[in-house]
Amino acid sequence: DTAVSQTPKYLVTQMGNDKSIKCEQNLGHDTMYWYKQDSKKFLKIMFSYNNKELIINETVPNRFSPKSPDKAHLNLHINSLELGDSAVYFCASSQEQGGSPLHFGNGTRLTVT
Amino acid sequence: AQSVTQLGSHVSVSEGALVLLRCNYSSSVPPYLFWYVQYPNQGLQLLLKYTSAATLVKGINGFEAEFKKSETSFHLTKPSAHMSDAAEYFCAVRSGNTPLVFGKGTRLSVIA
Repeated sequence: DTAVSQTPKYLVTQMGNDKSIKCEQNLGHDTMYWYKQDSKKFLKIMFSYNNKELIINETVPNRFSPKSPDKAHLNLHINSLELGDSAVYFCASSQEQGGSPLHFGNGTRLTVT
Repeated sequence: AQSVTQLGSHVSVSEGALVLLRCNYSSSVPPYLFWYVQYPNQGLQLLLKYTSAATLVKGINGFEAEFKKSETSFHLTKPSAHMSDAAEYFCAVRSGNTPLVFGKGTRLSVIA
């Protein structure tokens, strides 16, 4: 009965490859997010989706493309991976209201070699 | 724009001592404030949140935080540290329907 689940947990790949990370939430939330955590633990918002529509797209390279088939799923596809993409990627979900906390998945550690 | 500053990237306390992790925020509208904890190789877990009700907020694991508008602060405290409290702690702010904006985190070490 995991609330926010993302797969895979670990992803090791070579530069230039294309990879995807999947995320699903069973909380009935309206909004889903992707955050990137760098090696210094800093968390930065990448994308935010509300009811399958993109509402925030921070300054992220267009090699990163989120896709939301329905409001319970938000996948992240990355083209032409680069060394600098190595990080931990977290999926999260929340209700739309500002006071609602975000619920996070356990993260996907991406290592690009 | 909103932002969060966490003072001290690393705090070390003795087991049984007071834990104080500092957080100051900046927001042009009344903020919602959160503290999250991250244990090694895990996701972020909500400790507590402030959403304009009581200014002293109690959370899980004996933690609490006080919202002080005049000081734009939301410091996290725990009267007595336990070894299991060793983790990374993040303060975060949200205004309206914007995503959470996180501070840079404070690593808490607990010494036996």
